[in-house]
Amino acid sequence: NAGVTQTPKFQVLKTGQSMTLQCAQDMNHNSMYWYRQDPGMGLRLIYYSASEGTTDKGEVPNGYNVSRLNKREFSLRLESAAPSQTSVYFCASSDEAGQPQHFGDGTRLSIL
Amino acid sequence: GEDVEQSLFLSVREGDSSVINCTYTDSSSTYLYWYKQEPGAGLQLLTYIFSNMDMKQDQRLTVLLNKKDKHLSLRIADTQTGDSAIYFCAEKEYSGGGADGLTFGKGTHLIIQP
Repeated sequence: NAGVTQTPKFQVLKTGQSMTLQCAQDMNHNSMYWYRQDPGMGLRLIYYSASEGTTDKGEVPNGYNVSRLNKREFSLRLESAAPSQTSVYFCASSDEAGQPQHFGDGTRLSIL
Repeated sequence: GEDVEQSLFLSVREGDSSVINCTYTDSSSTYLYWYKQEPGAGLQLLTYIFSNMDMKQDQRLTVLLNKKDKHLSLRIADTQTGDSAIYFCAEKEYSGGGADGLTFGKGTHLIIQP
């Protein structure tokens, strides 16, 4: 019972490099989310997708793009990585509005 | 806008009860969640409550909601070393449709003393 799977688990990039973080869920959920977690902070929403084919900006979308490839997969892309994007990135999914979000184990991204 | 506040640290003795508090600012129609995060891991959903409820109990966990004060608490009975983690309070306004993200507090580090 995999739930939400994120790849890779760890990544180190140089400033200016690009990178795509992958997320897949096997719970047939409609909605998917990307958050970032910084030290001493709660999670902040980057982008979300209410359903296949739709995406919307969250609280901190600058420097990121997303693709909802199909119902299962929601990817997050950094086109030109910056040190300020060093963070732990979490993907989540939920069935309906108000239903709990289920989280992946995170991708730990360092940008030098 | 939405805002969720939590104390950053709580220290309790093993076997005692832990009470983690949270305040929120959103409307009366709100979902409220408690998540647990162990070091290096993702977020594990512990429990959740809708704002038309006052209390929810699940084994060692009790959630109390004071709607008037917009105050939420998570009580962990008989706290064990395995409960050592960061606990996040999160809220989501019920809008009748659409899927907005959650607003999280900064998390409470629960420290267990032997």
